[in-house]
Amino acid sequence: DTAVSQTPKYLVTQMGNDKSIKCEQNLGHDTMYWYKQDSKKFLKIMFSYNNKELIINETVPNRFSPKSPDKAHLNLHINSLELGDSAVYFCASSQGPGNTGELFFGEGSRLTVL
Amino acid sequence: SQQGEEDPQALSIQEGENATMNCSYKTSINNLQWYRQNSGRGLVHLILIRSNEREKHSGRLRVTLDTSKKSSSLLITASRAADTASYFCATAISSGSARQLTFGSGTQLTVLP
Repeated sequence: DTAVSQTPKYLVTQMGNDKSIKCEQNLGHDTMYWYKQDSKKFLKIMFSYNNKELIINETVPNRFSPKSPDKAHLNLHINSLELGDSAVYFCASSQGPGNTGELFFGEGSRLTVL
Repeated sequence: SQQGEEDPQALSIQEGENATMNCSYKTSINNLQWYRQNSGRGLVHLILIRSNEREKHSGRLRVTLDTSKKSSSLLITASRAADTASYFCATAISSGSARQLTFGSGTQLTVLP
C-alpha cells in the first residue's frame, strides 16, 4: 500500500513543452510538498500546501504552478520547460502545518528536458 | 546557502565496520532529522532528534546533536551491504510564521561486502 505515490516516474520531453506530475497521499496528512533534487543530490523545497492552502512558495519561476484539488492531492504543472528544469521532483507529506516533523516521500519523478 | 551540510561527501567502508557521517548547520533549529535515500528511490526518514536532546538511538543507528557547535553525527554500527545509500540531514527551523525543513546534499555511503 503506497503511502505517497507520484506519476509519472520518468518523463522525457522537449524544451518548450508543458507537463504535469501528479501526487497522491493516503496517510491522511494535512500538508504536502514538492521538492526538487538536482544532479548533485541537493534537495530544495519548492512549495508546501496545508489543507489545500499554499503556505510555502520558494523562489521558483512562475512557469511552475502547483494545484491542490483536495488535501490528499498535490499536482505540479510546468509550462514552457527549459533544460535547467531537468531534475528529480519529489512529492512529500507530513502531519500538521509545521513542516518540521517527519516527511514521507514519494519515489520521485525524473524529468529530462531535451 | 544550504543550512545543513554533510561531511564527508562520500564514504566507503567494509561490511561490519562502523560508519560515521557528520552534519553542520548555521542557524538555531527546532529539530534535526536524518533520512536515507537508496539509488533511484525516495527519501526515507530514519530518526529525529530535538534541539533539547543530545543523543538518540534506533537499532544500529546512533545520532548525536551538539547545538553549541551546530553539528550532528549519524553513526551506523556493524554496517551491512544493504546500508549502501545516500544519507541526508535535514534541519527544521522556525522563524516567525515560517517553518522549514532544509536538506543538505548528502553523504554517499558504500558498504563493500
